[in-house]
Amino acid sequence: DIQMTQSPSTLSASVGDRVTITCRASQSIDSWLAWYQQKPGKAPNLLIYTASILESGVPSRFSGSRSGTDFTLTISSLQPDDFATYYCQQYKSYPRTFGQGTKVEIK
Amino acid sequence: EVQLVESGGGLVQPGGSLRLSCAASGFIFSNYWMHWVRQVPGKGLVWVSRIRTDGTNIDYAASVKGRFTISRDNAKNMLYLQMNSLRVEDTAVYYCVRDWGNGYNFWGQGTLVTVSS
Repeated sequence: DIQMTQSPSTLSASVGDRVTITCRASQSIDSWLAWYQQKPGKAPNLLIYTASILESGVPSRFSGSRSGTDFTLTISSLQPDDFATYYCQQYKSYPRTFGQGTKVEIK
Repeated sequence: EVQLVESGGGLVQPGGSLRLSCAASGFIFSNYWMHWVRQVPGKGLVWVSRIRTDGTNIDYAASVKGRFTISRDNAKNMLYLQMNSLRVEDTAVYYCVRDWGNGYNFWGQGTLVTVSS
């Protein structure tokens, strides 16, 4: 199975901060990576796919990048609506695996 | 509007069975692979099972293989998950999700399964 190691597990930040979340795959997944946002009591919502393509309707302050097996989700200027938990997921192979999640909290 | 609505969750004793259903609407259901993903409250997301458009090419997570059965009825726009020999560790919110080839772009609201004596 491909392991997805996400860090940090918790991140405290303020409105307006630049935030970076990292996800490392245990083997090559090319760019078959998605990022999701989940708010308490709600289902996850797709933000980015193929490592860097923004899903329709997602604000442009979100971006994704890849360097080998390392992937990054960046929020350029954190907004109040962005406080949530973020997950990466590889869809290169089965079983599909997710990172452990990063909770972005208000500082 | 795309909608996925799960039902069938509830409280069941260890060793018991439940059948989850997912009603799809707002899109051509038969064109999409469908999956089940679960989440223990307060914990992370775990893939459970997938099924191809025509009901074949089925796969399961190792933790549920031999106990869970995924199926679909394209005529009724329904996805199912038959869960047998349930264990305490199967307690989770179960999500029905649509796979568009680049991750999951639609999720149901989830249905809670609680396995407890």
